[in-house]
Formats: sequence, C-alpha cells, structure tokens
Amino acid sequence: QKEVEQDPGPLSVPEGAIVSLNCTYSNSAFQYFMWYRQYSRKGPELLMYTYSSGNKEDGRFTAQVDKSSKYISLFIRDSQPSDSATYLCAMRHLNDYKLSFGAGTTVTVRA
Amino acid sequence: DTAVSQTPKYLVTQMGNDKSIKCEQNLGHDTMYWYKQDSKKFLKIMFSYNNKELIINETVPNRFSPKSPDKAHLNLHINSLELGDSAVYFCASSQGRTLNTDTQYFGPGTRLTVL
Repeated sequence: QKEVEQDPGPLSVPEGAIVSLNCTYSNSAFQYFMWYRQYSRKGPELLMYTYSSGNKEDGRFTAQVDKSSKYISLFIRDSQPSDSATYLCAMRHLNDYKLSFGAGTTVTVRA
Repeated sequence: DTAVSQTPKYLVTQMGNDKSIKCEQNLGHDTMYWYKQDSKKFLKIMFSYNNKELIINETVPNRFSPKSPDKAHLNLHINSLELGDSAVYFCASSQGRTLNTDTQYFGPGTRLTVL
C-alpha cells in the first residue's frame, strides 16, 4: 500500500464547475501538505501549502486538511480551461525534506 | 531568468550507454533534489543534497550517481542504461534552511528514452 493514495482520474468537467480532488495518507507523521499543478510536458508548480487542519483559500483554490481522518482535498471553483492539468498532492514529515507524492489526478475543463 | 533549469530537455540513447543530466538553480537555495516520474505520472524522490552534502538517498540502483559540484548545481549520472530507466527526471530545489516553510521548486524535466 502506498503512503499517499490519490484517485488518478481522469476527471472531465464543464467550464465553471467545481473541481474536487482528494488524497488520503497512512502515515500520521505527515505534517505539511502541498498541492502541485503540472501541465503537460512541464514541471510541477506549487499551488497551495498548508500545515494545520482546516481550510486555506487562495483565489479560486481552497485546500482542506483533516489530519484526524488523514485526508486532504483541493477545490477549484469556477473552473477554467486553463485549469486543465494534472494535480499532485504531496506531503512530508515535520523534520524531513523528503516529499511523498500522490499519483496525480488529470483534470480536463471543457469550454 | 529560469529558476531551475535542466539540460538536456530530451535524451534518447541506447541500452548500456552512460549519460548525464545537468541541473542548475539560480534561487540561492541550499537544497536540491532529483525525482523520477514514470509513465503513470508517479513522482518519486531519488536523491537530495543540502549544501553539497547528500541528505536523501532512496533505494535507487547504484548505476545512478548524483554529483553536486556546488550548491547551485546537482547533476545526475546514469551508467549502463536500461529500458526501465526511461522516464522523466525532474530536478528541484528548496531553500532548505527553515523546514516548516520549505517548499520545492521544480525544473522543466528531462525526458529520457532508452532504446
């Protein structure tokens, strides 16, 4: 069983829809949680970075962390075709630089 | 003014050859990483250097050898290439000084194809 599980999708939604992405993890030592966006044939770019349980909002993006359930989510409101990409969750321990990634969910937003 | 750059972008080579991939960052970061992304997009850490010192060394065949001549550069040398080495290799860097705010920035990737 992988440390981080993420539904690979693919996910196809109409423009304007809310996109919901999820990851679960098994290691309760994970303390820092990130979401990366990766466009086709590009490197991952950091979207959101969270530490505590709860919600963090940045524009159309909301990251949610529930440490008690070992579950994190990313919501994209008013999705745009430019949001079409693979979204990767990542997490790490308190005293470790090593990131553990989910498998990534490929999202297509249809115009 | 690319933050993390890698060369080459594409690499096609025969099985058994030896090849190197170079990475440079101009962010003033102390820590650099190599990741392998397979055909299913799964990204896995291979190595990390902090101020030229190896700090992460995952279970990777010893045909793979990282080298950090200075903290702005981290190269990856691969000996005796195998078909299974075909993947996209990403370099990344992070500040590496304050763990609780440390975030990694990725390069554009090197697509390696072994024939």
